[in-house]
Amino acid sequence: NAGVTQTPKFQVLKTGQSMTLQCAQDMNHNSMYWYRQDPGMGLRLIYYSASEGTTDKGEVPNGYNVSRLNKREFSLRLESAAPSQTSVYFCASSIEALYEAFFGQGTRLTVV
Amino acid sequence: GDSVTQMEGPVTLSEEAFLTINCTYTATGYPSLFWYVQYPGEGLQLLLKATKADDKGSNKGFEATYRKETTSFHLEKGSVQVSDSAVYFCALIPNDYKLSFGAGTTVTVRA
Repeated sequence: NAGVTQTPKFQVLKTGQSMTLQCAQDMNHNSMYWYRQDPGMGLRLIYYSASEGTTDKGEVPNGYNVSRLNKREFSLRLESAAPSQTSVYFCASSIEALYEAFFGQGTRLTVV
Repeated sequence: GDSVTQMEGPVTLSEEAFLTINCTYTATGYPSLFWYVQYPGEGLQLLLKATKADDKGSNKGFEATYRKETTSFHLEKGSVQVSDSAVYFCALIPNDYKLSFGAGTTVTVRA
């Protein structure tokens, strides 16, 4: 029972480097989310995808891009990493928007 | 925009104590309300939910009632255990369907 799988689990980047965080779900869910978690800030929505081929900005989209190429996968790209993007990133999915969201284990990203 | 505000922590309790974590919301319309829990080193998982006014969500001894008149969804448990130590998040789904979280409350239960 894989659920929501995120890769990698840990990553260290230098300022200005780019990388893509991968997320895949095997539950045939329509909605997918990317959040970042910072101390004292809770989880803040970066991007949301209601269905395959659609994406929408969340609360903190600047510096990020996303891609929902198929129903299973929703990737998050940092084009030019900055220290302010040091965070724990969570991907989540739900069958539809009003239903329970299932979370991945998170990616701990450090930008130096 | 729609949002939730929950009490700040950290909260430290002794085993078998009563736990309350306050959560209030601001929303247009009637959002669905949730409590999620995050155990150390893990992602979030749903604890309970309520989708309309006066609904009571319950799970693992935790309860929360959707109060429209006070725009609240406070989490309660009558007798906590060490295994309840975690971060608890209040959340809502507003009209734009973007699941939104509060800041989280860290709860530590001591034996």
